[in-house]
Amino acid sequence: LAKTTQPISMDSYEGQEVNITCSHNNIATNDYITWYQQFPSQGPRFIIQGYKTKVTNEVASLFIPADRKSSTLSLPRVSLSDTAVYYCLVGDNYGGATNKLIFGTGTLLAVQP
Amino acid sequence: EAQVTQNPRYLITVTGKKLTVTCSQNMNHEYMSWYRQDPGLGLRQIYYSMNVEVTDKGDVPEGYKVSRKEKRNFPLILESPSPNQTSLYFCASRQVSSGNTIYFGEGSWLTVV
Repeated sequence: LAKTTQPISMDSYEGQEVNITCSHNNIATNDYITWYQQFPSQGPRFIIQGYKTKVTNEVASLFIPADRKSSTLSLPRVSLSDTAVYYCLVGDNYGGATNKLIFGTGTLLAVQP
Repeated sequence: EAQVTQNPRYLITVTGKKLTVTCSQNMNHEYMSWYRQDPGLGLRQIYYSMNVEVTDKGDVPEGYKVSRKEKRNFPLILESPSPNQTSLYFCASRQVSSGNTIYFGEGSWLTVV
């Protein structure tokens, strides 16, 4: 089974750039890497998605190396409201099935003033 | 507005009393899934469905049933709830062609006493 590994927690200060890395050794060839943000008692919310190299949108950047066995979510200039749990998601290539979408355990980002 | 709607949002029930958590999406998504979330364990997939009449087990299917008779609905059934099924449950859906961009419901807090 595919497995993702993320740091359990990270601390940062307002205005800093934060990079959260996820390891996913068994990612399926055709699968995307997706990151989500979750606030307490709410459903996860899509942040960014990519397949390879670099993707950037209005809130984050996603860096994916050529072997795709890891990915790094970059949040520029974080604020207090970015305090949340961040999950990376990849498909599971067990038996060729890519629809058993497995979330990592998430990284709790705590942003301080 | 694109939505995944779950009901009930909060429920306290007794051991052994059958219950159903409904889930409905208005985006015509093929894929729907149920997750449970427990402290320290992240999001764990219970069941997923690729389309009408097609369902498959996730990582923690024991004690749960699902059905997919219509594309928009994906109810989660607990035939004989037990206290270890006390959890926060999320329904989710996605368009298969959009990679892993998943839309989550607001969550259902279930307590089994």
